[in-house]
Amino acid sequence: GESVGLHLPTLSVQEGDNSIINCAYSNSASDYFIWYKQESGKGPQFIIDIRSNMDKRQGQRVTVLLNKTVKHLSLQIAATQPGDSAVYFCAERDQAGTALIFGKGTTLSVSS
Amino acid sequence: ETGVTQTPRHLVMGMTNKKSLKCEQHLGHNAMYWYKQSAKKPLELMFVYNFKEQTENNSVPSRFSPECPNSSHLFLHLHTLQPEDSALYLCASSQGTGLQVEQYFGPGTRLTVT
Repeated sequence: GESVGLHLPTLSVQEGDNSIINCAYSNSASDYFIWYKQESGKGPQFIIDIRSNMDKRQGQRVTVLLNKTVKHLSLQIAATQPGDSAVYFCAERDQAGTALIFGKGTTLSVSS
Repeated sequence: ETGVTQTPRHLVMGMTNKKSLKCEQHLGHNAMYWYKQSAKKPLELMFVYNFKEQTENNSVPSRFSPECPNSSHLFLHLHTLQPEDSALYLCASSQGTGLQVEQYFGPGTRLTVT
């Protein structure tokens, strides 16, 4: 079945480091991918998205990379800050689906 | 604030109780969603409403009953729940249900079934 997963449940970094959060997906028909950030006590918040016709997309301090050959998605956060501490989810959707399919999440901890 | 509010934020109920969760969006969106977030599991889509019509029911047990009286409000009626239904219930809304529409999430209702 369709599934989206993350390689690591937790990631700890020092403030100022770059963070890389990875995600593997299994549905080769997936056409759209999103990264969400969920802080404690809040709902998921959109960070950045990417279509399958792209390999890379950049936002403010964040970059998403898509490797369709190995069905791998990553989120890079530059100069990580304590405020980046949260759970990060990847999600996918294919052309046929309304629903987003979420991965389990990676908890990012940033220490000063 | 995302423009999506949920009440109550916390709810403890017994297995024989009947309660309702409420979601309201102030974004002018026409699609609304219920998700379940359990510990150590991915978010699971439960229901989708588009223009007040239910367009998706993701094999959810009948003890969960959604209601969407208008595009701004969404309810989840709960009855005879089980302890394994304890989870964070998230509401989301979007402008349409197309491929690239962004879903805006509320803060969730933390439900504990005793």
